[in-house]
Amino acid sequence: LAKTTQPISMDSYEGQEVNITCSHNNIATNDYITWYQQFPSQGPRFIIQGYKTKVTNEVASLFIPADRKSSTLSLPRGSLSDTAVYYCLVGASGSARQLTFGSGTQLTVLP
Amino acid sequence: AAGVIQSPRHLIKEKRETATLKCYPIPRHDTVYWYQQGPGQDPQFLISFYEKMQSDKGSIPDRFSAQQFSDYHSELNMSSLELGDSALYFCASSLADTQYFGPGTRLTVL
Repeated sequence: LAKTTQPISMDSYEGQEVNITCSHNNIATNDYITWYQQFPSQGPRFIIQGYKTKVTNEVASLFIPADRKSSTLSLPRGSLSDTAVYYCLVGASGSARQLTFGSGTQLTVLP
Repeated sequence: AAGVIQSPRHLIKEKRETATLKCYPIPRHDTVYWYQQGPGQDPQFLISFYEKMQSDKGSIPDRFSAQQFSDYHSELNMSSLELGDSALYFCASSLADTQYFGPGTRLTVL
């Protein structure tokens, strides 16, 4: 499974766009990029998944450059409730695939 | 929308006791996964089941076993509990690629 590297922590302010970047230099051709959000003592929550270019849903956008060696999760307007740990995961699609969680990014949104 | 259900939500056991954690996947999901998250750590994959058959195995101790039943619910059985087994145990389910996690069971071993 491709290894990912994310910043350990980052701060942002309420109302500002939040961008969290993940590096995955040895991503394989059939790997997808998935982001999860986790609040303390809660299960990880799926945010967004993509393969290339840009993916947008009601919660976030995911930007993936052409070489796919990195990806950026973007939260358009950070709110205090976005304070959580964010995990970037890379792996092939298909059912019954285990998720390998690396060290996530602790995002703190400040008032 | 229905979510993954886990029971119990909290469990306290003594060393060397046994524990059984239950997971009820989202309806029509055919795959169940178990993860362990120790204090201050990232979730670690334990084991998964697809259509009631074990499909993948991670860092699950031999003292632990699991199975998926005909109604697709799964149980994680933990024996000879150790202090280090204290953790949050998450179950996730999927139909295709995306795994949806339950609220977790917090196991405390005293």
